[in-house]
Amino acid sequence: DAGVIQSPRHEVTEMGQEVTLRCKPISGHNSLFWYRQTMMRGLELLIYFNNNVPIDDSGMPEDRFSAKMPNASFSTLKIQPSEPRDSAVYFCASTLGQNTGELFFGEGSRLTVL
Amino acid sequence: GENVEQHPSTLSVQEGDSAVIKCTYSDSASNYFPWYKQELGKGPQLIIDIRSNVGEKKDQRIAVTLNKTAKHFSLHITETQPEDSAVYFCAASKGDKIIFGKGTRLHILP
Repeated sequence: DAGVIQSPRHEVTEMGQEVTLRCKPISGHNSLFWYRQTMMRGLELLIYFNNNVPIDDSGMPEDRFSAKMPNASFSTLKIQPSEPRDSAVYFCASTLGQNTGELFFGEGSRLTVL
Repeated sequence: GENVEQHPSTLSVQEGDSAVIKCTYSDSASNYFPWYKQELGKGPQLIIDIRSNVGEKKDQRIAVTLNKTAKHFSLHITETQPEDSAVYFCAASKGDKIIFGKGTRLHILP
């Protein structure tokens, strides 16, 4: 299996621009998570989905952030408009299903907002 | 909600010595405690986990201990090697939601 695939790996954009990060979970996995990693705050859970349905989005920082999962093999995290404080590495992870333990992470998308 | 505290934030140990990383959690209902290792430029990867019905688990050079009463758990790495240099995260969960500590950067000194 190819693992969790994220794109782009790196993105540099200017403040105010829209950013879209993409994730393809491992085939057969039913739960998908978006995390943000910064030096100051570590790994923060933004939102997670079970069977394509958003379950908990309490970690989404503000209305500028939105996430969708239109089908079992694709999810997006969108930031509009982006701000310099959004600069971070964004990870997508998937797991087999509810309460099944191991998260499989992608390699992350490093976002820099100038 | 759950809060996970992790210490130390940075740890340097001589190659061959042991390393210990400690975490505390706030939600007594949490029942699953994984540890992840993150190498440079990669996503975190599970190295060992423990569930609340077990007090200790060992896998070769790594071991985890769990004290449910005190709500703390620890990672022990013995006979450290250069390839153990990485960032280590503890986490706690009571269902789908896995909350991570802020990480420990472990340096193995030659």
